[in-house]
Amino acid sequence: QQQVKQSPQSLIVQKGGIPIINCAYENTAFDYFPWYQQFPGKGPALLIAIRPDVSEKKEGRFTISFNKSAKQFSLHIMDSQPGDSATYFCAATPSKETSGSRLTFGEGTQLTVNP
Amino acid sequence: GAVVSQHPSWVICKSGTSVKIECRSLDFQATTMFWYRQFPKQSLMLMATSNEGSKATYEQGVEKDKFLINHASLTLSTLTVTSAHPEDSSFYICSAGTSGRIYNEQFFGPGTRLTVL
Repeated sequence: QQQVKQSPQSLIVQKGGIPIINCAYENTAFDYFPWYQQFPGKGPALLIAIRPDVSEKKEGRFTISFNKSAKQFSLHIMDSQPGDSATYFCAATPSKETSGSRLTFGEGTQLTVNP
Repeated sequence: GAVVSQHPSWVICKSGTSVKIECRSLDFQATTMFWYRQFPKQSLMLMATSNEGSKATYEQGVEKDKFLINHASLTLSTLTVTSAHPEDSSFYICSAGTSGRIYNEQFFGPGTRLTVL
């Protein structure tokens, strides 16, 4: 019940394409869904996050779509660039006003954007 | 703001020695810090959660006597890998969370690459 399933495992697109990464969860207590971007040899960096009371959130070229009834959410990268080549992780956590909530991570998607 | 640092960024040690990794929140007070390990091409695996001034809570399967965690202040947590062996070679990442925020958000450090020979 604590798992977050992420797909695909790897993705290759051409520059300007729109890669889509999907995640699904089971735990209905999850209500905060961040996406992280990780470059080789670096720690993950928060990219964008969403709460389930909205169906979509956009920040720059990154968009999260959220389907609460299906317990699924996805990341879309508009006008993808070679610099977007990285590993992307979705995550989920129950939100609290304290800092002790643990993140449950998806398995990761290795994105390659070819020039 | 919300910068987390780790030191060292990489370390090579001989089997049987102990290695200490520091995690610092530079511009905020971290009431909770998390330690993860990550093997190549895999996701982050939570090892333990530590709250300032309290004993760490370890995930199932993580040896608390091997991975010693100290969270002595609101800006510093340390992970000591005791009697390291080659199978402990991994990428160790800490993250820090702060209370008072509406939604739980963790800020990640840059990671420490440990290689045990």
